[in-house]
Amino acid sequence: DQQVKQNSPSLSVQEGRISILNCDYTNSMFDYFLWYKKYPAEGPTFLISISSIKDKNEDGRFTVFLNKSAKHLSLHIVPSQPGDSAVYFCAGLNQGAQKLVFGQGTRLTINP
Amino acid sequence: DTAVSQTPKYLVTQMGNDKSIKCEQNLGHDTMYWYKQDSKKFLKIMFSYNNKELIINETVPNRFSPKSPDKAHLNLHINSLELGDSAVYFCASSQIFGDMNTEAFFGQGTRLTVV
Repeated sequence: DQQVKQNSPSLSVQEGRISILNCDYTNSMFDYFLWYKKYPAEGPTFLISISSIKDKNEDGRFTVFLNKSAKHLSLHIVPSQPGDSAVYFCAGLNQGAQKLVFGQGTRLTINP
Repeated sequence: DTAVSQTPKYLVTQMGNDKSIKCEQNLGHDTMYWYKQDSKKFLKIMFSYNNKELIINETVPNRFSPKSPDKAHLNLHINSLELGDSAVYFCASSQIFGDMNTEAFFGQGTRLTVV
């Protein structure tokens, strides 16, 4: 039972354009949603998060949108840069259970 | 100055062996975790410890035993290794997830290959 799903295993975007990574979830108990970025041979690093009571959070080139009725969130990166090439994990946080649940990741490739 | 460090980075071993992966964090966090990234690339939580006490134990075979000698360390011991244990194991730490959206900090991972 995958509570967090990222249905696109990979995404390729031209440098300078917008990258949109999608994530769906099934658990209504998530209090926060987080995006992590992972380079090869490294652990995931935190990128941006959003509270379940908000619908948008922006940090520089990164914006996360949350649609609770659709149980869907997305990460927008604009403009995309070559250094953004990595695997992006979406995660839901259930504070009560103290548990961070991850999706399977989307590999983003930014082409020059 | 590594925040969460785990050793070894790579581990190749034969079926039936017993092995340990060590993890240390210097962030002063209360909570540490072990995650397993399986062949389908999902990062799945295995264990969570808060101040040396086990608070999460997902459905993990009892061949896997976490040990937390103090709140800065959480080691993972695996008995009688099986082929299906091959995966990348990530250690992580965080403060207790409170009202602030605190993130978890991850180690670089240990790639375990059982042959």
